[in-house]
Amino acid sequence: DVKVTQSSRYLVKRTGEKVFLECVQDMDHENMFWYRQDPGLGLRLIYFSYDVKMKEKGDIPEGYSVSREKKERFSLILESASTNQTSMYLCASSLQGRPDEKLFFGSGTQLSVL
Amino acid sequence: AQTVTQSQPEMSVQEAETVTLSCTYDTSESDYYLFWYKQPPSRQMILVIRQEAYKQQNATENRFSVNFQKAAKSFSLKISDSQLGDAAMYFCAYKGSNYKLTFGKGTLLTVNP
Repeated sequence: DVKVTQSSRYLVKRTGEKVFLECVQDMDHENMFWYRQDPGLGLRLIYFSYDVKMKEKGDIPEGYSVSREKKERFSLILESASTNQTSMYLCASSLQGRPDEKLFFGSGTQLSVL
Repeated sequence: AQTVTQSQPEMSVQEAETVTLSCTYDTSESDYYLFWYKQPPSRQMILVIRQEAYKQQNATENRFSVNFQKAAKSFSLKISDSQLGDAAMYFCAYKGSNYKLTFGKGTLLTVNP
């Protein structure tokens, strides 16, 4: 079965720090996604990538960047963490991006910015 | 832009009973896909069921079924014979021509023994 692994389950950082959230999938999926989950707001798409070195902005890209140097790895970067970026971050992948495809999710990283 | 609305922030059901979670969406597209995802306390989202808009027949997966009303833009999830393991956050999601998945805000389902 597909495994999407996020490097940290919980993370505590200070305001202004540069933060890297790592995500690795093991099934050669083309597409990878970063979502942010907040209570009462559901999941919101930050960035996605449909190929190595390719990226597209989602609905809330401000304050974030991403990197995809290898197919299996998709990193979310907070250049200068702020308290309003305290949230649950979910990584997901899909095989080819067909409309009926399901997403495979990681277990999330709960980030607290103090 | 497409929007997905889940009007029930929380629901509860007795074990072995049936519960229906509601979802409505707004779109001008005629062809799209709808999904229900489940997020248990482990936090890992898993797909419960999906429906193609051009298929009139409602999708079913074991104890899970949907009531898809295209004209009303409604996509409710029915869980029959509820089990304790069904307790989770449930998200309705829409995918249209841009292939981006738009989620609702979620419904927290509690199953009482």
